[in-house]
Parts: sequence; C-alpha cells; structure tokens
Amino acid sequence: EVQLEESGGGVVEPGRSLRLSCATSGFTFREYAISWFRQAPGKGLEWVGLIRSETYGGTAEYAASVRGRFSISRDDFRSLAYLQMNSLRTEDTAEYYCSRGQTVTGAKYYSDHWGQGTLVTVSS
Amino acid sequence: DIQMTQSPSSLSAFVGDRVTITCRASQSISSWLAWYQKKPGKAPRLLIYWASSLESGVPSRFSGTGSGTEFTLNIDNLQPDDSATYYCQHYTTFPITLGQGTRLEI
Repeated sequence: EVQLEESGGGVVEPGRSLRLSCATSGFTFREYAISWFRQAPGKGLEWVGLIRSETYGGTAEYAASVRGRFSISRDDFRSLAYLQMNSLRTEDTAEYYCSRGQTVTGAKYYSDHWGQGTLVTVSS
Repeated sequence: DIQMTQSPSSLSAFVGDRVTITCRASQSISSWLAWYQKKPGKAPRLLIYWASSLESGVPSRFSGTGSGTEFTLNIDNLQPDDSATYYCQHYTTFPITLGQGTRLEI
C-alpha cells in the first residue's frame, strides 16, 4: 500500500525557518516525483512545488509565492522528501501536504497519492 | 500562468441526483487535467486524470470529459459520502494551478 506521511509542522514566528518531512512507503521512491501542496484556513488547495526523480534530473519547480524562500529536496536511500521553508510569513500558515507525482512524460505530473497533512502556523 | 476557473462555487443536491462541475482553463491544456476530492481533515483524493481517465478504486459514478479549455466532472447517483470540495488541476506546464474549488453538499 502506497503511504505518505508529513511531519515537522508547528508554530513558528515570522521570518524563521521550518523543515517539513514526507516519509513514504509502499512504492519505489526513487522512481517518482514528489509534490508539495498547501491549504490555508478557509482557502483552496495551492501547489507549492515539485521535485523530479533522478531519472528526470532530480530538479525542482516552485510556485512564484514561495520561490527563493522554500526548497525541496529528497533522500532516495531513506525514501524521504523535505520542504525547507525559510523567511516564513503569516500568509504561509496552512496545512501542508506531500503527494506522489505520477507522470508518463517526465514533464507533466499529477498527484495520485497524498499524505494527511501537517499544520504550519506562522505567528508572533 | 494558466488560470483555472470552476463553476459553480458551491451547489446542493440530493441523494440519487446527477451533478456537473465545470472547469475552464485560460488557455488550451489539451487533456492535462486532473480532478480531486477533498474532505475536511482528510487527504485529497485523485478521481480523474488525463481529463477522463478514472483512477483505480474510484467508483464509476464519477466521470470526466473535455479537452482544450473546457472540462466537466460528472457525478451520477449521488451518495451522502460525496459531500466534499472538488478541485480541478492542470498539469500541462509549471506552475501547476488548481481551480478555486466547488463545494458539494448532499
């Protein structure tokens, strides 16, 4: 069974950093991309970023709202992905989800399995 | 960026009804479209990919149509468990963007 589980959320002051983890099991992690999404309170889902598998270069893409502040990395040996969040703002307060990126082209990804989410609250 | 617009924003229906949710893209996305179901406190669930392909394990009451800029999610024979918010998402290029969501009340 494919499983993803986020951890690392919590309360953090504006301007500080936080790192989220996405632990996975039930599939060959190195063969898949991992996406991060978020949902702010009372708002819709928002894509945050994606890291490709090493097969497709292991590179990452980001939403404009987080580019330069957030970075995604992966540890294929431990089947883990990370979302490093720096210079946090109050508007980054949200539930953060990781998901498995499914692709047939290496260029286009949708998410077929998701974690339950971890809450990040940015407040002074 | 490609903008995704869903309509309606919310709707109410009864058990056994059929509903249609529409998603429009600001430019052609071919069939690079997915639909997700989101319930409060739960992980999002993939329903449809490639505009009309049903994800494994999803009831056949769910179906998707469309290509280019206009897409629909149809749900037949509504069940109480279908109460949720539904999102469309393009994945033709980066940044990936989603519609604002359609809240369905049964």
